[in-house]
Amino acid sequence: GNSVTQMEGPVTLSEEAFLTINCTYTATGYPSLFWYVQYPGEGLQLLLKATKADDKGSNKGFEATYRKETTSFHLEKGSVQVSDSAVYFCAQTSGTYKYIFGTGTRLKVLA
Amino acid sequence: GAGVSQSPSNKVTEKGKDVELRCDPISGHTALYWYRQSLGQGLEFLIYFQGNSAPDKSGLPSDRFSAERTGGSVSTLTIQRTQQEDSAVYLCASSLGGQALSSPQHFGDGTRLSIL
Repeated sequence: GNSVTQMEGPVTLSEEAFLTINCTYTATGYPSLFWYVQYPGEGLQLLLKATKADDKGSNKGFEATYRKETTSFHLEKGSVQVSDSAVYFCAQTSGTYKYIFGTGTRLKVLA
Repeated sequence: GAGVSQSPSNKVTEKGKDVELRCDPISGHTALYWYRQSLGQGLEFLIYFQGNSAPDKSGLPSDRFSAERTGGSVSTLTIQRTQQEDSAVYLCASSLGGQALSSPQHFGDGTRLSIL
């Protein structure tokens, strides 16, 4: 069945470090892919999305490219800030109502 | 309101009591979802509504859990005879419905439920 696999956390980085959070998926067909972020004490917010192969989603300095050949959607940011500390969820949907979320990766950025 | 609203934000209750959690989705969103997020876990799908009907209840963990939606808007998730393992954050999300490919979910801040 369809699934999403994320790298396990927590990920701890110093401010201004480069961030990569890996996400791979299995799906029949061509899903849309999403990254959601959950700041402490809040609900999930959509961070970025990509709806077809080779699309790049970007927002707030974060980027992720839909790679069909490697079934991946890795999240990257060139220079993280303390305010980026949160839990990041990768998700997919394949055109029905159903969203499939990864287990989340906690990011902690130290000043 | 502008976003998905959930109430209460926190609920502490004794084991065996019933609890009711409320979700007010974004106006015009026909699809509504409930998820459970346990400490250190990802999102566990509970139930999906399209309008007032629930075509997928497959994620409800037991018959102690039920949900309804009225008027295509507000939804309530009811947990009867609560157990300690029900302690979690319950998240509600809504979306425009139709093809999910172009309809991201919008989440509320959740209800943190603690069973003593």
